[in-house]
Amino acid sequence: EIVLTQSPGTLSLSPGERATLSCRASQSVSSSYLAWYQQKPGQAPRLLIYGASSRATGIPDRFSGSGSGTDFTLTISRLEPEDFAVYYCQQYGSSPAFGQGTKVEIK
Amino acid sequence: EVQLVESGGGLVQPGRSLRLSCAASGFTFDDYAMHWVRQAPGKGLEWVSGISWNSGSIGYADSVKGRFTISRDNAKNSLYLQMNSLRAEDTALYYCAKDLSFGGVSLGPIDYWGQGTLVTVSS
Repeated sequence: EIVLTQSPGTLSLSPGERATLSCRASQSVSSSYLAWYQQKPGQAPRLLIYGASSRATGIPDRFSGSGSGTDFTLTISRLEPEDFAVYYCQQYGSSPAFGQGTKVEIK
Repeated sequence: EVQLVESGGGLVQPGRSLRLSCAASGFTFDDYAMHWVRQAPGKGLEWVSGISWNSGSIGYADSVKGRFTISRDNAKNSLYLQMNSLRAEDTALYYCAKDLSFGGVSLGPIDYWGQGTLVTVSS
Protein backbone atom coordinates (compact mmCIF):
# COMPACT_ATOMS: atom_id res chain seq x y z
CA GLU A 1 0.00 0.00 0.00
CA ILE A 2 1.38 3.38 -1.04
CA VAL A 3 1.41 6.05 1.67
CA LEU A 4 1.31 9.70 0.59
CA THR A 5 2.85 12.39 2.80
CA GLN A 6 1.99 16.02 2.09
CA SER A 7 4.00 19.00 3.21
CA PRO A 8 3.76 21.47 4.70
CA GLY A 9 0.73 20.84 6.87
CA THR A 10 -0.22 24.50 6.68
CA LEU A 11 0.95 27.19 4.27
CA SER A 12 0.35 30.81 5.25
CA LEU A 13 0.48 33.12 2.25
CA SER A 14 -0.98 36.37 0.95
CA PRO A 15 -3.14 36.80 -2.16
CA GLY A 16 -0.94 37.16 -5.22
CA GLU A 17 1.83 34.98 -3.81
CA ARG A 18 2.97 31.66 -5.24
CA ALA A 19 2.05 28.45 -3.43
CA THR A 20 4.08 25.26 -3.71
CA LEU A 21 2.62 22.10 -2.20
CA SER A 22 4.49 18.80 -1.98
CA CYS A 23 3.28 15.21 -2.06
CA ARG A 24 5.75 12.38 -1.48
CA ALA A 25 4.91 8.72 -2.00
CA SER A 26 6.36 5.81 -0.04
CA GLN A 27 6.97 3.99 -3.33
CA SER A 28 6.86 4.91 -6.98
CA VAL A 29 3.43 5.89 -8.31
CA SER A 30 2.88 3.97 -11.52
CA SER A 31 2.15 5.84 -14.73
CA SER A 32 2.00 9.12 -12.80
CA TYR A 33 -1.41 8.13 -11.44
CA LEU A 34 -1.43 11.15 -9.17
CA ALA A 35 -4.28 13.64 -8.69
CA TRP A 36 -4.80 16.83 -6.72
CA TYR A 37 -8.06 18.05 -5.17
CA GLN A 38 -9.22 21.26 -3.51
CA GLN A 39 -11.73 21.24 -0.68
CA LYS A 40 -13.40 24.24 0.91
CA PRO A 41 -15.29 24.10 4.23
CA GLY A 42 -18.68 22.44 3.92
CA GLN A 43 -18.08 21.44 0.31
CA ALA A 44 -17.18 18.27 -1.52
CA PRO A 45 -13.67 18.11 -2.99
CA ARG A 46 -12.99 19.34 -6.52
CA LEU A 47 -10.60 17.68 -8.95
CA LEU A 48 -7.81 20.01 -10.03
CA ILE A 49 -5.09 17.85 -11.58
CA TYR A 50 -4.85 14.23 -12.76
CA GLY A 51 -2.07 12.24 -14.39
CA ALA A 52 0.30 14.39 -12.29
CA SER A 53 0.08 17.37 -14.66
CA SER A 54 -3.20 17.44 -16.61
CA ARG A 55 -5.67 20.10 -15.54
CA ALA A 56 -9.26 18.98 -15.07
CA THR A 57 -12.06 20.66 -16.99
CA GLY A 58 -12.59 24.29 -16.02
CA ILE A 59 -9.53 24.57 -13.79
CA PRO A 60 -7.67 27.89 -14.22
CA ASP A 61 -4.14 27.75 -15.60
CA ARG A 62 -2.68 29.24 -12.42
CA PHE A 63 -2.91 25.67 -11.11
CA SER A 64 -0.20 23.33 -12.34
CA GLY A 65 1.06 19.91 -11.36
CA SER A 66 4.44 18.31 -11.86
CA GLY A 67 6.55 15.38 -10.75
CA SER A 68 6.94 11.66 -11.24
CA GLY A 69 8.01 8.58 -9.35
CA THR A 70 7.70 9.47 -5.67
CA ASP A 71 7.79 13.29 -5.68
CA PHE A 72 4.95 15.47 -6.91
CA THR A 73 4.18 19.18 -6.66
CA LEU A 74 1.08 21.34 -6.99
CA THR A 75 1.85 24.96 -7.79
CA ILE A 76 -0.59 27.86 -7.65
CA SER A 77 1.18 30.65 -9.50
CA ARG A 78 -0.69 33.59 -7.99
CA LEU A 79 -3.12 32.97 -5.17
CA GLU A 80 -6.62 34.31 -5.61
CA PRO A 81 -8.91 34.81 -2.58
CA GLU A 82 -10.94 31.75 -3.58
CA ASP A 83 -7.83 29.51 -3.55
CA PHE A 84 -7.52 29.44 0.23
CA ALA A 85 -8.61 25.91 1.04
CA VAL A 86 -7.31 22.43 1.85
CA TYR A 87 -5.53 20.50 -0.89
CA TYR A 88 -5.18 16.73 -1.11
CA CYS A 89 -3.07 14.56 -3.34
CA GLN A 90 -4.28 11.10 -4.31
CA GLN A 91 -2.66 8.18 -6.00
CA TYR A 92 -5.04 6.00 -7.96
CA GLY A 93 -5.04 2.76 -9.87
CA SER A 94 -5.33 -0.52 -8.07
CA SER A 95 -5.44 0.78 -4.51
CA PRO A 96 -6.20 4.49 -4.29
CA ALA A 97 -5.17 6.56 -1.29
CA PHE A 98 -5.16 10.21 -0.26
CA GLY A 99 -2.52 12.27 1.45
CA GLN A 100 -3.37 13.94 4.75
CA GLY A 101 -3.86 17.38 3.18
CA THR A 102 -2.22 20.80 3.13
CA LYS A 103 -4.17 23.83 4.33
CA VAL A 104 -3.46 27.05 2.45
CA GLU A 105 -4.48 29.91 4.73
CA ILE A 106 -4.43 33.67 4.43
CA LYS A 107 -1.41 35.27 6.07
CA GLU B 1 -25.77 17.75 -15.14
CA VAL B 2 -24.15 14.99 -13.11
CA GLN B 3 -25.94 14.34 -9.84
CA LEU B 4 -24.99 11.88 -7.11
CA VAL B 5 -27.38 11.60 -4.19
CA GLU B 6 -26.42 9.49 -1.21
CA SER B 7 -28.84 8.05 1.33
CA GLY B 8 -28.93 5.53 4.15
CA GLY B 9 -26.73 7.22 6.71
CA GLY B 10 -27.68 7.62 10.35
CA LEU B 11 -26.88 6.67 13.92
CA VAL B 12 -26.00 3.02 14.46
CA GLN B 13 -24.59 1.06 17.37
CA PRO B 14 -21.14 -0.53 17.22
CA GLY B 15 -21.22 -3.98 15.68
CA ARG B 16 -24.39 -3.31 13.69
CA SER B 17 -24.85 -2.91 9.94
CA LEU B 18 -25.90 -0.15 7.58
CA ARG B 19 -26.39 0.02 3.82
CA LEU B 20 -25.64 3.20 1.91
CA SER B 21 -27.12 3.93 -1.49
CA CYS B 22 -26.21 6.42 -4.20
CA ALA B 23 -28.56 7.42 -7.00
CA ALA B 24 -26.73 8.66 -10.08
CA SER B 25 -28.05 10.75 -12.94
CA GLY B 26 -26.84 13.03 -15.71
CA PHE B 27 -24.34 10.59 -17.22
CA THR B 28 -24.21 7.05 -18.59
CA PHE B 29 -23.76 5.24 -15.30
CA ASP B 30 -22.53 1.93 -16.69
CA ASP B 31 -19.66 3.62 -18.54
CA TYR B 32 -17.79 4.64 -15.39
CA ALA B 33 -16.19 3.22 -12.30
CA MET B 34 -17.57 4.50 -9.02
CA HIS B 35 -16.13 5.11 -5.55
CA TRP B 36 -16.98 5.63 -1.91
CA VAL B 37 -14.81 8.11 -0.03
CA ARG B 38 -15.28 9.11 3.60
CA GLN B 39 -14.26 12.00 5.79
CA ALA B 40 -14.35 11.83 9.56
CA PRO B 41 -15.40 15.07 11.29
CA GLY B 42 -12.57 17.59 11.02
CA LYS B 43 -10.28 15.09 9.32
CA GLY B 44 -8.97 14.35 5.83
CA LEU B 45 -10.28 12.26 2.98
CA GLU B 46 -10.08 8.47 3.07
CA TRP B 47 -10.78 6.35 0.01
CA VAL B 48 -13.02 3.48 1.10
CA SER B 49 -13.88 1.39 -1.94
CA GLY B 50 -14.20 1.44 -5.71
CA ILE B 51 -15.87 -0.65 -8.39
CA SER B 52 -15.30 -0.74 -12.13
CA TRP B 53 -18.10 -0.19 -14.64
CA ASN B 54 -18.86 -3.90 -14.96
CA SER B 55 -18.08 -4.86 -11.33
CA GLY B 56 -15.12 -6.84 -12.62
CA SER B 57 -12.61 -4.88 -10.59
CA ILE B 58 -13.28 -4.03 -6.94
CA GLY B 59 -10.99 -2.55 -4.33
CA TYR B 60 -11.17 -1.77 -0.63
CA ALA B 61 -9.11 0.17 1.86
CA ASP B 62 -7.39 -2.09 4.39
CA SER B 63 -9.42 -0.41 7.15
CA VAL B 64 -12.71 -1.78 5.78
CA LYS B 65 -11.66 -4.96 3.98
CA GLY B 66 -13.76 -7.92 5.10
CA ARG B 67 -16.42 -5.69 6.68
CA PHE B 68 -17.67 -3.51 3.80
CA THR B 69 -19.00 -4.63 0.41
CA ILE B 70 -19.44 -2.37 -2.59
CA SER B 71 -21.88 -3.19 -5.37
CA ARG B 72 -23.72 -1.52 -8.21
CA ASP B 73 -26.90 -2.01 -10.19
CA ASN B 74 -26.40 -0.51 -13.63
CA ALA B 75 -30.06 -1.02 -14.53
CA LYS B 76 -31.02 1.22 -11.61
CA ASN B 77 -28.11 3.68 -11.95
CA SER B 78 -27.27 2.96 -8.35
CA LEU B 79 -24.21 2.34 -6.20
CA TYR B 80 -24.27 0.67 -2.78
CA LEU B 81 -22.06 0.16 0.23
CA GLN B 82 -22.98 -2.57 2.70
CA MET B 83 -21.24 -1.84 5.99
CA ASN B 84 -21.08 -4.61 8.60
CA SER B 85 -19.44 -4.83 12.02
CA LEU B 86 -19.37 -1.05 12.29
CA ARG B 87 -16.90 0.61 14.62
CA ALA B 88 -16.67 4.05 16.19
CA GLU B 89 -13.83 4.87 13.80
CA ASP B 90 -16.18 4.38 10.84
CA THR B 91 -18.01 7.56 11.87
CA ALA B 92 -17.73 9.90 8.91
CA LEU B 93 -19.42 11.66 6.04
CA TYR B 94 -19.57 9.14 3.20
CA TYR B 95 -19.30 10.49 -0.32
CA CYS B 96 -20.41 8.70 -3.47
CA ALA B 97 -18.09 9.68 -6.31
CA LYS B 98 -17.75 9.17 -10.06
CA ASP B 99 -14.53 8.12 -11.75
CA LEU B 100 -13.11 10.43 -14.42
CA SER B 101 -12.10 7.72 -16.87
CA PHE B 102 -14.56 6.41 -19.47
CA GLY B 103 -14.76 2.62 -19.54
CA GLY B 104 -11.72 2.18 -17.33
CA VAL B 105 -11.09 -1.17 -15.72
CA SER B 106 -8.85 0.28 -13.05
CA LEU B 107 -9.81 2.93 -10.50
CA GLY B 108 -9.05 6.43 -11.64
CA PRO B 109 -9.33 9.97 -10.32
CA ILE B 110 -12.69 11.32 -9.19
CA ASP B 111 -14.39 14.12 -11.11
CA TYR B 112 -17.81 14.33 -9.44
CA TRP B 113 -18.84 13.98 -5.82
CA GLY B 114 -22.16 13.82 -4.02
CA GLN B 115 -22.84 15.90 -0.93
CA GLY B 116 -22.40 12.92 1.37
CA THR B 117 -24.40 11.02 3.94
CA LEU B 118 -23.37 11.05 7.59
CA VAL B 119 -22.77 7.78 9.42
CA THR B 120 -22.39 7.94 13.19
CA VAL B 121 -21.38 4.81 15.06
CA SER B 122 -22.07 5.17 18.75
CA SER B 123 -23.79 3.39 21.59
